[in-house]
Amino acid sequence: QQQVKQSPQSLIVQKGGISIINCAYENTAFDYFPWYQQFPGKGPALLIAIRPDVSEKKEGRFTISFNKSAKQFSLHIMDSQPGDSATYFCAATVDNQGGKLIFGQGTELSVKP
Amino acid sequence: DTAVSQTPKYLVTQMGNDKSIKCEQNLGHDTMYWYKQDSKKFLKIMFSYNNKELIINETVPNRFSPKSPDKAHLNLHINSLELGDSAVYFCASSQPLGTQYFGPGTRLTVL
Repeated sequence: QQQVKQSPQSLIVQKGGISIINCAYENTAFDYFPWYQQFPGKGPALLIAIRPDVSEKKEGRFTISFNKSAKQFSLHIMDSQPGDSATYFCAATVDNQGGKLIFGQGTELSVKP
Repeated sequence: DTAVSQTPKYLVTQMGNDKSIKCEQNLGHDTMYWYKQDSKKFLKIMFSYNNKELIINETVPNRFSPKSPDKAHLNLHINSLELGDSAVYFCASSQPLGTQYFGPGTRLTVL
């Protein structure tokens, strides 16, 4: 019940295209859903996050769509750029669990010029 | 200027040895964490400390022992290293309920 399932494992997109990464969870107590971006040799960095009281959050080219009833959320990267090539992780946590992030398995995104 | 720093960046050692990884944050955060990233890039929390007090202790072999000398430091000591301990270890810090900021990672290779 603590798992977060992420797909696809890898994704290749042409420059200018839309990248979509999906995550699903079981624990309805989760109340914070961040996405992290990780470049090779670096630590993960927060990209964008959402709470379940909203269905969508947009920051620049990055949008999270959240479907509470389906227990699913997704990251959309519009106008994907080669510089977006990285590994993306969805995560979930319960606020009163001391910051314990449960990560998805990761998606390796490659944006081709 | 670095927010969360870890030393060393690379650690290569023999099975059975004891090693430590150090982490320091200059963000003034109260909470620090250790995560393990395996060869498939899966990230899993190991420990968290809040104001030097252990908060989260996941199912981790007791060969792993975190130590927090002060709020800005969280070290990870590993005894009797095994092949399966090879991974990248990340330190992170945050304010309570805040964004977690990750360090650059320490790649541990056990031969």
